[in-house]
Amino acid sequence: DTEVTQTPKHLVMGMTNKKSLKCEQHMGHRAMYWYKQKAKKPPELMFVYSYEKLSINESVPSRFSPECPNSSLLNLHLHALQPEDSALYLCASSLGSARKNNEQFFGPGTRLTVL
Amino acid sequence: AQTVTQSQPEMSVQEAETVTLSCTYDTSESDYYLFWYKQPPSRQMILVIRQEAYKQQNATENRFSVNFQKAAKSFSLKISDSQLGDAAMYFCAYKGRGHTNAGKSTFGDGTTLTVKP
Repeated sequence: DTEVTQTPKHLVMGMTNKKSLKCEQHMGHRAMYWYKQKAKKPPELMFVYSYEKLSINESVPSRFSPECPNSSLLNLHLHALQPEDSALYLCASSLGSARKNNEQFFGPGTRLTVL
Repeated sequence: AQTVTQSQPEMSVQEAETVTLSCTYDTSESDYYLFWYKQPPSRQMILVIRQEAYKQQNATENRFSVNFQKAAKSFSLKISDSQLGDAAMYFCAYKGRGHTNAGKSTFGDGTTLTVKP
């Protein structure tokens, strides 16, 4: 299994809703990442987990709450989002520590629309 | 802070021809990694090629090769014998090894490559 899966593929939510994005990999990778990507723009790093511990938080608003229950699973909990949070949310993973030069394997993303 | 610049928002190439995508970066670190990622329309981002800064030899992966000029902080991607499936947005990315930025990749703004049949 050499892929990163993300669910759901699409999500539409109101500003008062609470929802979660899920990311899973079974490649034995120990670093996992959340990115936000707007159309025709590069991915913007949000969070990095290394060995299930949060190692980087790029000053992301608290309405985004990451969780890494185990080495294969990464969640992003969403609450009270704003319309400008609408974007493609990408999950990625890499072998070993996030500090190594290993390539990141990206998931297909969740297309989020906030109404 | 590290920055990555891709000066060509769009490029086009005729099928079977060669095209070069430019990337420059700015860093004060001496050891780091550089990557080119490809993101086809509505498809997953995948790694094209990687280069470790301490290696002088330019990386090559089949039709893809890089021209890494460490002193000039330049990392261009050459695609030979372009194919229709090469059409995508290409991102240059920098990943440092320093403690303060461990795990953080900085991406350029991307170059959209069109391949004409």
